[in-house]
Order: sequence, then C-alpha cells, then structure tokens
Amino acid sequence: DADVTQTPRNRITKTGKRIMLECSQTKGHDRMYWYRQDPGLGLQLIYYSFDVKDINKGEISDGYSVSRQAQAKFSLSLESAIPNQTALYFCATSDETDGGAGELFFGEGSRLTVL
Amino acid sequence: GEDVEQSLFLSVREGDSSVINCTYTDSSSTYLYWYKQEPGAGLQLLTYIFSNMDMKQDQRLTVLLNKKDKHLSLRIADTQTGDSAIYFCAESHSSGTYKYIFGTGTRLKVLA
Repeated sequence: DADVTQTPRNRITKTGKRIMLECSQTKGHDRMYWYRQDPGLGLQLIYYSFDVKDINKGEISDGYSVSRQAQAKFSLSLESAIPNQTALYFCATSDETDGGAGELFFGEGSRLTVL
Repeated sequence: GEDVEQSLFLSVREGDSSVINCTYTDSSSTYLYWYKQEPGAGLQLLTYIFSNMDMKQDQRLTVLLNKKDKHLSLRIADTQTGDSAIYFCAESHSSGTYKYIFGTGTRLKVLA
C-alpha cells in the first residue's frame, strides 16, 4: 500500500461545484502539503501544515481551503470550482526530524477537470 | 522572487549519457534536489546535494553544482528506456523548511 494516498485519483466536475480532495498518510510525518501541477509550470504550493493546529497559505491559496483532521489526514477543498483550477494535485509529506534534506514524499496525484 | 528554470524536453538514445540542466536564483539555497516523476505517479526523490558540495555521485547518477553560476546538473550514465520520465530540479533553504521551489520539469525521452 502507498504511504501517501490520495482520493479520488480522477474527478470531472462542473463549474461552481464544491470538490474535496483527500490525502492520508501512514508515514507518521507531521508536515503535509498540497501542490498543484500544471504543464510547463512545475509545482506550486497551495497550502501546508506543520501539525494539526498549524495551517499556512502557500503561493496560490486563493480559491482553495484545507482541513487537517488528524496528523494523518489533510484535505483540500475547492468551494466553487472554476475551469482554471483544472490541474493535477499532489499531496506530500515530510519529516521535520529527519535531520537531513527534508525529502518530500508524494502521493500519486488527483487529476481534476472542471468543465 | 526565487526561481528555478529548466529546459522542457530532452531526447537521448539508449546507452548514451543524459545531462539535465537547471539554473536557480536563490543564493541562500541549502539543498538542491532532483525528483523523478514517472507517468501516472507522484514525484520521487532521486538525489540531492548540499550547497557546500560540488559533486555527488550515486551509481549512474552524477550531480554537479556550480554555486557561483547557480547551475545544477544531473547526468545519467548509460541511459535506459526506464529512465524516461519528467525530472524536476528543486531547491530549499534549510533542512525541514516548507519552502521548496520547483522547476518546470524536463521531460526525458529515451529512444531505443
């Protein structure tokens, strides 16, 4: 089983609908992140959380919200989806205690299409 | 602000060496990374280099860092078809920081 699991893997929705992408991890990491990937743009940080009580905006948080329900769960919501939110979304975790380079561990991605 | 740039595509023949280049603007980078993304999968760390190093070798992978020119490269020796993927360069300021800046990714295509 994957250490970082995202659901759904694929979703097609209509403009104005509310969408939730869920992420769960079994790595025991405190730090979790949501990234968006667009072709030719690399990865952009939407939100990040260093623990259950700590939520922070990233570079492109407008139009998104998050909830950290537990150490292992971090969900991303689009309250009213719009077509330019069509993208591939990644959840990632990292371990603040690793004493090393702070490797990011990624889920397999959630492809969202907003019509 | 900080930026990381890569060329978008690279095509090589199987058995040749591949060199993927990256430039970055943040002189305070502490770690520089290479992540690999295979089709339908998330990114996976390939290797990283600490900013006080010039070179790091790991089997077929060689990372070169020119801190003066803010240039990072990844050389893959004896490139195989299984190396076909998107390779992302990234940098961060210090261990455990949230702030990772990713490049656009270079799509490597290996021709048989």
